[in-house]
Amino acid sequence: DAGVIQSPRHEVTEMGQEVTLRCKPISGHNSLFWYRQTMMRGLELLIYFNNNVPIDDSGMPEDRFSAKMPNASFSTLKIQPSEPRDSAVYFCASSFNELFFGPGTRLTVL
Amino acid sequence: DQQVKQNSPSLSVQEGRISILNCDYTNSMFDYFLWYKKYPAEGPTFLISISSIKDKNEDGRFTVFLNKSAKHLSLHIVPSQPGDSAVYFCAALLRGTYKYIFGTGTRLKVLA
Repeated sequence: DAGVIQSPRHEVTEMGQEVTLRCKPISGHNSLFWYRQTMMRGLELLIYFNNNVPIDDSGMPEDRFSAKMPNASFSTLKIQPSEPRDSAVYFCASSFNELFFGPGTRLTVL
Repeated sequence: DQQVKQNSPSLSVQEGRISILNCDYTNSMFDYFLWYKKYPAEGPTFLISISSIKDKNEDGRFTVFLNKSAKHLSLHIVPSQPGDSAVYFCAALLRGTYKYIFGTGTRLKVLA
């Protein structure tokens, strides 16, 4: 298995633009998570899905953030409009028991 | 409100010595604890875990200790090797959910 796949690996955009991050979880894993890593807060849980259904989105910082999981093999995290303070590394992870993380997307909003 | 805390942002240890990384938590509803290791430009990878019904779990050079009364866990690495240099995250699972809460990480540097 290729593991959790994220794209793009790096994204540089300007303030106000829409950003879409993509994730393909490991086949057979029934839970999917979006985390954001910052120096101040470490790995911060944004949202997680179980069997494609959003279970807890209490970590989503603002209405500018949205996430979808249309099927078991794909999820997106969208930021619209993006702001400089959204700059961080965004990780997708999937699990059956322990979490397996993707390589992350480094987002820079200028 | 940080429910899982790693109060030491960094730690340096000589090769061959013991590394001890600490983690404190505040929520008594956590019932499973994990340690992850992260190298630069990679995602965190699972290292070792412990259930709340245990107080120790060992896997090779890595041992995790859990003190429920103190709401404290620690990761011991012995002997430490230069390849262990990475950021270590402590995580806790909220009982009855799939919600994993992570700490802020501790950067370990093992000096050759």
